[in-house]
Amino acid sequence: EAGVVQSPRYKIIEKKQPVAFWCNPISGHNTLYWYRQNLGQGPELLIRYENEEAVDDSQLPKDRFSAERLKGVDSTLKIQPAELGDSAVYLCASSPSRLAGGPLFGPGTRLTVL
Amino acid sequence: DQQVKQNSPSLSVQEGRISILNCDYTNSMFDYFLWYKKYPAEGPTFLISISSIKDKNEDGRFTVFLNKSAKHLSLHIVPSQPGDSAVYFCAASGIGNQFYFGTGTSLTVIP
Repeated sequence: EAGVVQSPRYKIIEKKQPVAFWCNPISGHNTLYWYRQNLGQGPELLIRYENEEAVDDSQLPKDRFSAERLKGVDSTLKIQPAELGDSAVYLCASSPSRLAGGPLFGPGTRLTVL
Repeated sequence: DQQVKQNSPSLSVQEGRISILNCDYTNSMFDYFLWYKKYPAEGPTFLISISSIKDKNEDGRFTVFLNKSAKHLSLHIVPSQPGDSAVYFCAASGIGNQFYFGTGTSLTVIP
């Protein structure tokens, strides 16, 4: 079974520039998550999708962050414009349903904003 | 407000001995708990889980214990191996597919 795929793995941009991250979840997984992980911290949820519906985006900074999940499969997370404080690892994860296991994570995208 | 807490940022253990990683939670509605292991430059990998209807779950060298009255869970690794050196995160879930993560404990197993 293929795992969660994310691209790019690393991204370096200057502040005020836009950036986008892409995620392909595990086939058949209805739930997709975007987490942000700062250095020395645990993953923090940005947005959760059930199929194509965003059911929890309370922690997503909507003034600069946006996300979409096309046809309930792939997802894109965008930041525009990026700020210095956005430097972090952005993790995508997917899961089939609760109690069938928790989120299964991709390798993450390490974003550095200069 | 941190609902899942790992108060020990780091732990060092000799190879072959037991590693005990601890996690506390505050939300009494949490009923499903997980441990993840993370190597540098990789995403967290699911390790073991436990439902609140149990107080122990074992998988090979890894055992998770849950004390609901104390809102505490622990991960035991016996025997510890150098390859177990990683950051370990606990996570908890209540209603729905929301998962809350602790800040992690960095385990070093000394050969």
